[in-house]
Amino acid sequence: NAGVTQTPKFQVLKTGQSMTLQCAQDMNHNSMYWYRQDPGMGLRLIYYSASEGTTDKGEVPNGYNVSRLNKREFSLRLESAAPSQTSVYFCASSDFRVAKNIQYFGAGTRLSVL
Amino acid sequence: GEDVEQSLFLSVREGDSSVINCTYTDSSSTYLYWYKQEPGAGLQLLTYIFSNMDMKQDQRLTVLLNKKDKHLSLRIADTQTGDSAIYFCAELGGSSASKIIFGSGTRLSIRP
Repeated sequence: NAGVTQTPKFQVLKTGQSMTLQCAQDMNHNSMYWYRQDPGMGLRLIYYSASEGTTDKGEVPNGYNVSRLNKREFSLRLESAAPSQTSVYFCASSDFRVAKNIQYFGAGTRLSVL
Repeated sequence: GEDVEQSLFLSVREGDSSVINCTYTDSSSTYLYWYKQEPGAGLQLLTYIFSNMDMKQDQRLTVLLNKKDKHLSLRIADTQTGDSAIYFCAELGGSSASKIIFGSGTRLSIRP
């Protein structure tokens, strides 16, 4: 049981380049999330998908787009990368129909934008 | 709006108890969580407490919840070097069934 899988693990981009971060979960969860983690700022929610077919903005959505491709997969796209998007990105999933709504996290993607 | 706050650093001696504190603002929170992040890894759930509980104990971990003061704490007894990590407090707010609000994390370091 792999849980939440993120690819790639590391990426270096030049300013203005685009890329897509991939996330897949095999726990049959309804909800999926994208966070960024910056030093001293904890986790900030970028976008989330409460269920297949829906996506909503989180705290810091500017510069990002998402696609909930199917129940398993939730991708995050940077159309024109900026140095301010240098961060560690985490994908998570949960089933909020289960009262505890525990989120399960991937190992992260470390992105540097030069 | 919803907010979760915790101090950024804590240093304790090996074998002592560690107490990590957290305050939150959403009085309608249903679940509160503690997640642990080891270097280079994602977050893993350590423990959680339902809002109608005051305390939860799980081996070396004790969670205390003071709903009146909106204060949550995590006590780790007999702290070991393997407990070095960042600990995140988080709440499941009443305003959204799916969103969890995370604190900024407390980095716990262990002195020999």
